[in-house]
Amino acid sequence: QSVLTQSPSASGTPGQRVTISCSGSSSNVGSHYVFWYQQVTGTAPKVLIYRTDQRPSGVPDRFSGSKSGTSASLAISGLRSEDEADYFCAAWDASLSGWVFGGGTKLTVL
Amino acid sequence: QVQLIQSASELKKPGASVKVSCQASGYSLRNYAVNWVRQAPGQGPEWMGRITTNAGDPTYAQGFIGRFVFSLDTSTSTAYLEINNLKAEDTALYFCAREMLVSAPSDYYYYMDVWGTGTTVTVSS
Repeated sequence: QSVLTQSPSASGTPGQRVTISCSGSSSNVGSHYVFWYQQVTGTAPKVLIYRTDQRPSGVPDRFSGSKSGTSASLAISGLRSEDEADYFCAAWDASLSGWVFGGGTKLTVL
Repeated sequence: QVQLIQSASELKKPGASVKVSCQASGYSLRNYAVNWVRQAPGQGPEWMGRITTNAGDPTYAQGFIGRFVFSLDTSTSTAYLEINNLKAEDTALYFCAREMLVSAPSDYYYYMDVWGTGTTVTVSS
């Protein structure tokens, strides 16, 4: 059971906007930055969002991150077929003194 | 191009040991700590711990103390994960990841910015 909670699946049609949520607690999401990763099955995860709402160079501005309290969100606008992947969140947990992750959300583009 | 190249998949019997390698390319391994992450089939990632690359000081997460060993060979820019007394529940995809430190006047934080190619370890009799 992952420490951070994500819905197992999400879907949308091309051009739509989808939001993936990540729920934690005061010791992780509530007090530390959140990071989002995109993972095509079996391949290396890629940083999509760092420091809660920052995009690395090369990541399209269709991807955005936000946080409110102990919940964080990843929004993908203008959905494209190549966005089909698994997305997971991560944050440092002060109580555990380690990184915690979400279980991942599998995004399907219909 | 910054990369972490991991060793090929392994099939092992219960009770055996396995050593997974993670070779840094395009940057100096000494400048960044290495984290290890396990991803069991159908599960989210799980942080196993990290090793500093200047002092070679390992930190193990709860659940990964005892059978798991992190080590380094700085001469070949390679980090290693060794798992002893393998169990069926160790069957997973294992990743190494570079730990980036971002330091600014009013803020500093770490995160895993580059991940390895992944190594599947299957434990089966």
